[in-house]
Amino acid sequence: DQQVKQNSPSLSVQEGRISILNCDYTNSMFDYFLWYKKYPAEGPTFLISISSIKDKNEDGRFTVFLNKSAKHLSLHIVPSQPGDSAVYFCAAKPQGGSEKLVFGKGTKLTVNP
Amino acid sequence: GAGVSQTPSNKVTEKGKYVELRCDPISGHTALYWYRQSLGQGPEFLIYFQGTGAADDSGLPNDRFFAVRPEGSVSTLKIQRTERGDSAVYLCASSLTGGSSYNEQFFGPGTRLTVL
Repeated sequence: DQQVKQNSPSLSVQEGRISILNCDYTNSMFDYFLWYKKYPAEGPTFLISISSIKDKNEDGRFTVFLNKSAKHLSLHIVPSQPGDSAVYFCAAKPQGGSEKLVFGKGTKLTVNP
Repeated sequence: GAGVSQTPSNKVTEKGKYVELRCDPISGHTALYWYRQSLGQGPEFLIYFQGTGAADDSGLPNDRFFAVRPEGSVSTLKIQRTERGDSAVYLCASSLTGGSSYNEQFFGPGTRLTVL
């Protein structure tokens, strides 16, 4: 049973426009949510995180929104650039002592010049 | 500075063989993680070390999988009697620990294991 779900396997956006990547979760017992970016043949790279007590976190072109009542988070990239083309993973850290992450299946973002 | 390194980058083995995958974390990182990523899936947690001890091994799929970190730095993931279903990219990550906020996990490039 998947606790973190990314229902869109792919997304295509024009350069300069906004990219919105979505993620849903089923378990309320997560205390942090994160987005990782992955290029082919490389390991995932941390992008941005948000604590479960917040509803928004912004870092440059990247903003993550958390809607706890809907158990939904989204990553907004504005403006999108061709170098943003990658697979984006949503991840969540369960409350408690373990630092493990639970990942979604990923969304492949393509930003067209 | 050096990131997380993993060796080998690729490993091809035959069903039933034993394999070892190595991870060198970032110097000074006390936490080390192993994940497995199958085709079309996200990384799946296997085991997490805090120092030399396994703090959470709840993700190991069965007793064919074992990991060690004897000196609190380098870790080895060991898979006995490999099966075709073990084919995946095995990712290692490390992080600092402590504090009240999330500690970023830095990932290595992974080892692609293929079991024929």
